[in-house]
Amino acid sequence: DAKTTQPNSMESNEEEPVHLPCNHSTISGTDYIHWYRQLPSQGPEYVIHGLTSNVNNRMASLAIAEDRKSSTLILHRATLRDAAVYYCTPRGSQGNLIFGKGTKLSVKP
Amino acid sequence: SQTIHQWPATLVQPVGSPLSLECTVEGTSNPNLYWYRQAAGRGLQLLFYSVGIGQISSEVPQNLSASRPQDRQFILSSKKLLLSDSGFYLCAWSGVRKSSYNSPLHFGNGTRLTVT
Repeated sequence: DAKTTQPNSMESNEEEPVHLPCNHSTISGTDYIHWYRQLPSQGPEYVIHGLTSNVNNRMASLAIAEDRKSSTLILHRATLRDAAVYYCTPRGSQGNLIFGKGTKLSVKP
Repeated sequence: SQTIHQWPATLVQPVGSPLSLECTVEGTSNPNLYWYRQAAGRGLQLLFYSVGIGQISSEVPQNLSASRPQDRQFILSSKKLLLSDSGFYLCAWSGVRKSSYNSPLHFGNGTRLTVT
């Protein structure tokens, strides 16, 4: 199963864009990259996922490198409610998600 | 719309006591179901997953077990809890089997278990 590498923590100012990086150099050609976020004492919340093309939804954008060895989650305007731990997760061989330690995002007002 | 319910939200149990955590999903059929555990300050670890009634796969050997008596019901159990079983237990579901491989997982709000 593929593994991911993310920075332990990042800081952002409110209303500024945030770029959260993830390296997944061992990902297979058919694995989608999923991003989730987790607030304290809550279950993870789905953010976005993609395979090769960049993806956008109401929460965020996902930029996937051409070689698929890395991706970047983009929050266009960070709010205080975006403070959470963000996980970049490939799918495992059984359809499960493989979670690392994620990136703890702090948003300053 | 689909919803997932987990209970209880918090639980304190003595070492050696039994455990039963229940998870139910509404608004979908034939979901894939998952149990994850999150130890303090760590990432989520997959414990069990199920693709259908009575079909359980275990990812990590331990004193926990899982059962799926109904299509949308997933139960996590233990006969005798250990201190190391403390953690945040999360149930999740994903889409119908055909398209489940890359469909998102939807998590419940979890059960925080403290074994004393």
